Amino acid sequence: QVQLVESGGGVVKPGGSLRLSCAASGFPFSDYYISWIRQAPGKGLEWISFISSSGVYTKYSDSVQGRFTIARDNTKNSLYLQMNSLTAADTAVYFCVREASTRQLGMDVWGQGTTVTVSS
Amino acid sequence: SYVLTQPPSVSVAPGKTASVTCGGDNIGTKSVHWYQQKPGQAPDLVVYDNRDRPSGIPERFSGSNSGETATLTISRVEVGDEADYYCQVWDFSSDRWVFGGGTKLTVL
Repeated sequence: QVQLVESGGGVVKPGGSLRLSCAASGFPFSDYYISWIRQAPGKGLEWISFISSSGVYTKYSDSVQGRFTIARDNTKNSLYLQMNSLTAADTAVYFCVREASTRQLGMDVWGQGTTVTVSS
Repeated sequence: SYVLTQPPSVSVAPGKTASVTCGGDNIGTKSVHWYQQKPGQAPDLVVYDNRDRPSGIPERFSGSNSGETATLTISRVEVGDEADYYCQVWDFSSDRWVFGGGTKLTVL
């Protein structure tokens, strides 16, 4: 079935780095834009980045611009998020999310999320 | 940057109708999507493009969008509809997705 599975979360010290991965299955991964969305404990959803289907075009929220890098490997049906210079404000559940074929259709497939905790 | 404003909470009795609003500057010109998130789960898309439902979403869920406000309406509310609801739009000017702050729906 159509599925996104995140991994790579964990506990990291402030200033540290972490790389998240997202494995896609059940659909033609290379046809879709993918976003990372996070949710801090007890807070709402925050979009942080998307990458185009080819990987050429990326965009970031102001909160992560310059610290996070999104990438994909279409030969491996995988998405990545390299997170550097982490702070406590980055503590959240990180979701890998498929954007539907056009932006008028929303985001139709969500992973279960992976938890990142930034703490000394 | 574009801002979406939702009420923090809405309460409704079972069997009644709940309305969750999402305010934004000229939001009526945008395509609004709505997500339902139950505790400990990932969000699910319940309405896309203002008023359309993905397959499997009950007809009780409907949406509208005009002027400065988009609305998610849930008819004949059930206890199982208790969840957080988020609106979302694509902001063409910044080339970014924007979420509302979320509304906690409580079924009394």
